[in-house]
Amino acid sequence: NAGVMQNPRHLVRRRGQEARLRCSPMKGHSHVYWYRQLPEEGLKFMVYLQKENIIDESGMPKERFSAEFPKEGPSILRIQQVVRGDSAAYFCASSLLAGGGPYTDTQYFGPGTRLTVL
Amino acid sequence: TQLLEQSPQFLSIQEGENLTVYCNSSSVFSSLQWYRQEPGEGPVLLVTVVTGGEVKKLKRLTFQFGDARKDSSLHITAAQPGDTGLYLCAGVGAGNMLTFGGGTRLMVKP
Repeated sequence: NAGVMQNPRHLVRRRGQEARLRCSPMKGHSHVYWYRQLPEEGLKFMVYLQKENIIDESGMPKERFSAEFPKEGPSILRIQQVVRGDSAAYFCASSLLAGGGPYTDTQYFGPGTRLTVL
Repeated sequence: TQLLEQSPQFLSIQEGENLTVYCNSSSVFSSLQWYRQEPGEGPVLLVTVVTGGEVKKLKRLTFQFGDARKDSSLHITAAQPGDTGLYLCAGVGAGNMLTFGGGTRLMVKP
């Protein structure tokens, strides 16, 4: 049973370009979460999605950032017109349920995408 | 806004020593989790504690959840170089959202 998959693992962009980060959840999981980690810091929640719906985007910057989780295919985190401050590791996690209890709600993390903005 | 504070931020010890990492909050969480993260990888779940006062053991690691479910500790006995890594606590809040502490970077020297 494959874990959460993220690609690319490393992404280099110049200022002003677009970055697209992909996340395939664990098989059977329909809840996806995105987190950002700056160097030497903990992870910060960005957005929570279910299939075709954004449930909570309270941690995502209002401008330049968007996320989707279509009916078919991976979840995408899109950053438009990247700036140097966007350089970070972006992690995706998935869970079987949300609200079902501490064990069915457990989030499993992918290996992350390390974005570097030149 | 719920915040989790971890201490210490950095810890460098010799193999065989014991250590304790603390995770404190002013907020109550439905459960609390501890993760370990290796360089270049995502966090891996070590344990989930749910009940106030709960103690869980995982080999040489002992996890405790405070009675009021606001704080937790991780104790490692006889640390080994393989324990080196970043340890993160995370509180589970409404909507299954995780609030992470800043992390404790542990280095165990042989």
